[in-house]
Amino acid sequence: QSVLTQPPSASGTPGQRVTISCSGSSSNIGSNYVYWYQQLPGTAPKLLIYRNNQRPSGVPDRFSGSKSGTSASLAISGLRSEDEADYYCAAWDDSLSGPPYVFGTGTKVTVL
Amino acid sequence: QVQLQESGPGLVKPSETLSLTCTVSGGSVSSGSYYWSWIRQPPGKGLEWIGYIYYSGSTNYNPSLKSRVTISVDTSKNQFSLKLSSVTAADTAVYYCARGLFTIFGVVRGYYFDYWGQGTLVTVSS
Repeated sequence: QSVLTQPPSASGTPGQRVTISCSGSSSNIGSNYVYWYQQLPGTAPKLLIYRNNQRPSGVPDRFSGSKSGTSASLAISGLRSEDEADYYCAAWDDSLSGPPYVFGTGTKVTVL
Repeated sequence: QVQLQESGPGLVKPSETLSLTCTVSGGSVSSGSYYWSWIRQPPGKGLEWIGYIYYSGSTNYNPSLKSRVTISVDTSKNQFSLKLSSVTAADTAVYYCARGLFTIFGVVRGYYFDYWGQGTLVTVSS
């Protein structure tokens, strides 16, 4: 049911930069804010980025978000072993034909 | 510190109704700022938004589940609940409750979850 498409996996070695894409449409990413969540193994998701590119208190500045048109990206710089997790984008969707809130398909980040 | 805790049966039979409750501590479900939400995640799969309730009782549901879902709030117990009827194996998932917030800037809308419960696995099986 996801209308936000992410690559299923991404990987890098410690210290590298990893970028995750999130592709949507004019009714979701193109019109509204994008949010990113990090889900560590066996735990609930945690808000990582809000309003496209803002970090909640306590989130390291190694994490950054951006948005352009109907796509968004999450970048992790200086990759660390503790960043190994699943990452989800999300956005409100103004389309009347589907759910008003949509998550991305999720990307598993592996630290090699 | 706001905390949310899901509770309810971990095993539900096919065709029956799944019932879960989320108890909120450190905050009030009567606050006009928040939308109390349910999200689920089938084993090994992604997240699916189920719906939310506002303290006034107004709700918004995922259309794919709307005919089977009811979310309610009990302000006296500081809880909100999920009922999902006529369940099948496809409803097997970890169910999360979460506190949702809306932000609106002009015509741009944002909706996100700042606090989550730990999640509870509900298995549908006979």
